[in-house]
Amino acid sequence: EVQLVQSGAEVKKPGESLIISCQVSGYSFTSQWIGWVRQTPGKGLEWMGSIFPGDSDTRYSPSFQGRVTISGDKSLSTAYLRLTGLKASDTAIYYCARSGTASIFDYWGQGTLVTVSS
Amino acid sequence: EVVLTQSPDTLSASPGERVTLSCRASQSLTSSFAWYQQKPGLPPRLLMYGVSTRAAGVPARFSGSQSGTEFTLTISSLQSEDFAVYYCQYYRTFGQGTKVDIK
Repeated sequence: EVQLVQSGAEVKKPGESLIISCQVSGYSFTSQWIGWVRQTPGKGLEWMGSIFPGDSDTRYSPSFQGRVTISGDKSLSTAYLRLTGLKASDTAIYYCARSGTASIFDYWGQGTLVTVSS
Repeated sequence: EVVLTQSPDTLSASPGERVTLSCRASQSLTSSFAWYQQKPGLPPRLLMYGVSTRAAGVPARFSGSQSGTEFTLTISSLQSEDFAVYYCQYYRTFGQGTKVDIK
């Protein structure tokens, strides 16, 4: 059974950095892309970036370029999202999701609620 | 960059009704198109991909089609478990969602 399990909720202050993990099981971690999508009431679903763990090929949304880093640890079958310079507007639910080509996300993590507040 | 505009924002319907959700693209797209369903407190669930292919476990009452730059998701007979928010997607762009609620 394919599963993506994310780390727990976070509360951060403006200017801080965030790291969320996404551990996968039930398939080969290195064979499929993992994307990060966030959801806010105001902007809906936003793709932030994706990584192909097999060769660490990484793509980022221009909206987050410079603030986001996506990485993967093959030994742990885990992908990571790092977001720096947090703002109140980064308050959202962050999801990791598996995709094949064309960024069709067929399996999703449970989501990680991130609250940014002073 | 592609913009996907879904309509309506909210659709009120009764169980058993046939409903049609629309997603209009700002430019011509390839078939790398998908629909997702999201219920409160849960992540999105892949419903359809490649315009009209149902994902694993999706009931046959869901169907997808395309006419030019307009993509349509049809639920032939709305069931209680279908009340949710539906999103369209093309590559890394999502529509804003259509909420299907009970009339």
